[in-house]
Amino acid sequence: NAGVTQTPKFQVLKTGQSMTLQCAQDMNHEYMSWYRQDPGMGLRLIHYSVGAGITDQGEVPNGYNVSRSTTEDFPLRLLSAAPSQTSVYFCASSNPGQGYGYTFGSGTRLTVV
Amino acid sequence: AQSVTQPDIHITVSEGASLELRCNYSYGATPYLFWYVQSPGQGLQLLLKYFSGDTLVQGIKGFEAEFKRSQSSFNLRKPSVHWSDAAEYFCAVGARAAGNKLTFGGGTRVLVKP
Repeated sequence: NAGVTQTPKFQVLKTGQSMTLQCAQDMNHEYMSWYRQDPGMGLRLIHYSVGAGITDQGEVPNGYNVSRSTTEDFPLRLLSAAPSQTSVYFCASSNPGQGYGYTFGSGTRLTVV
Repeated sequence: AQSVTQPDIHITVSEGASLELRCNYSYGATPYLFWYVQSPGQGLQLLLKYFSGDTLVQGIKGFEAEFKRSQSSFNLRKPSVHWSDAAEYFCAVGARAAGNKLTFGGGTRVLVKP
């Protein structure tokens, strides 16, 4: 199994550009989330989804959009990139219930210049 | 709102010595608790998790953690550290509803001296 696959691994954007970070999982997990990681701040939740067609905001949602049209995919859209969005982005998936933790992708390192 | 504090930003330990990483959480009910490890340039790997029952949980790579409700703590331990344990460690609390959302601490970077 591939697990959680994120593309691209690296990206440089100019301020004001838009782009989509892709995330796909092949474990048939119901839950998917996007986090950003910044030095000294751990990981912060951007958006999450508890199933296809259902999304909700996390701690730091401004400037990002998500949709969940299928169980497998959960893309993250940057509407108009800003330097403050320079970060490492992680997608994760899980199933509900007490037996599961989140499985993380390998991350996308984004630089906005 | 849930929160997690990892008081130690950096810890340096000699190879073969014991390691303890501290984690304190704030949550209104019994939480899900996790420890993840991140090697440089990599994603996060789950070390262990607590949901209920036995408060001492065993994980991968020889790690264990103890849930202490009275202290709101979930400290991670390893009796004898290997050079390959050098990494950043994150404690997280998960909401029991709303998608098991994780709230992470700021992380503790572990350096291992030969």
